[in-house]
Amino acid sequence: KAGVTQTPRYLIKTRGQQVTLSCSPISGHRSVSWYQQTPGQGLQFLFEYFSETQRNKGNFPGRFSGRQFSNSRSEMNVSTLELGDSALYLCASSTGTDSWGTEAFFGQGTRLTVV
Amino acid sequence: AQSVSQHNHHVILSEAASLELGCNYSYGGTVNLFWYVQYPGQHLQLLLKYFSGDPLVKGIKGFEAEFIKSKFSFNLRKPSVQWSDTAEYFCAVISGGYNKLIFGAGTRLAVHP
Repeated sequence: KAGVTQTPRYLIKTRGQQVTLSCSPISGHRSVSWYQQTPGQGLQFLFEYFSETQRNKGNFPGRFSGRQFSNSRSEMNVSTLELGDSALYLCASSTGTDSWGTEAFFGQGTRLTVV
Repeated sequence: AQSVSQHNHHVILSEAASLELGCNYSYGGTVNLFWYVQYPGQHLQLLLKYFSGDPLVKGIKGFEAEFIKSKFSFNLRKPSVQWSDTAEYFCAVISGGYNKLIFGAGTRLAVHP
């Protein structure tokens, strides 16, 4: 069974630009969550999508957005990039059918560097 | 708001030493608890999880954790560590239902041969 696939693995962007990251979940999984990992703040929840609907949202500014497609693939977008957005962005997939949470499987992440 | 505290940020052990990593969470209601491990250059992997039932849960690679509700704790243990256990370990709790994981700051474990 293929794991969670995130593309691209590495990105370098300039301040003010926007970026789109992609995540393909494990086949059959309908929930995709996104996390930001930085040395200073650790792992922080961005948002979760289930069946194309955003179910949960973390405390990030509106520059961070996402969407999910009918095949459960998800994208997250960051507009007007700031230096502080440099981070490892992780995607996690799960079946998502239990309201109290199910096991999440993580991708390798996309390393975003903003210069 | 829900929070997770990991007591040790860096732990250095010799091979065959015993390991215990502390984890406390703040929420008093029903919780689902997890320990994840991140080996150098690899993705986060689930070590073990607690949803309900026996508070002593066993995971992969000889790890176990004990859920103590009265102490809001979910400490990770391993009787004898190996060099290959060198990694960063994260405790996490489901908050607000669904799949919103709240992570602790992580503990970097270095095991010397």
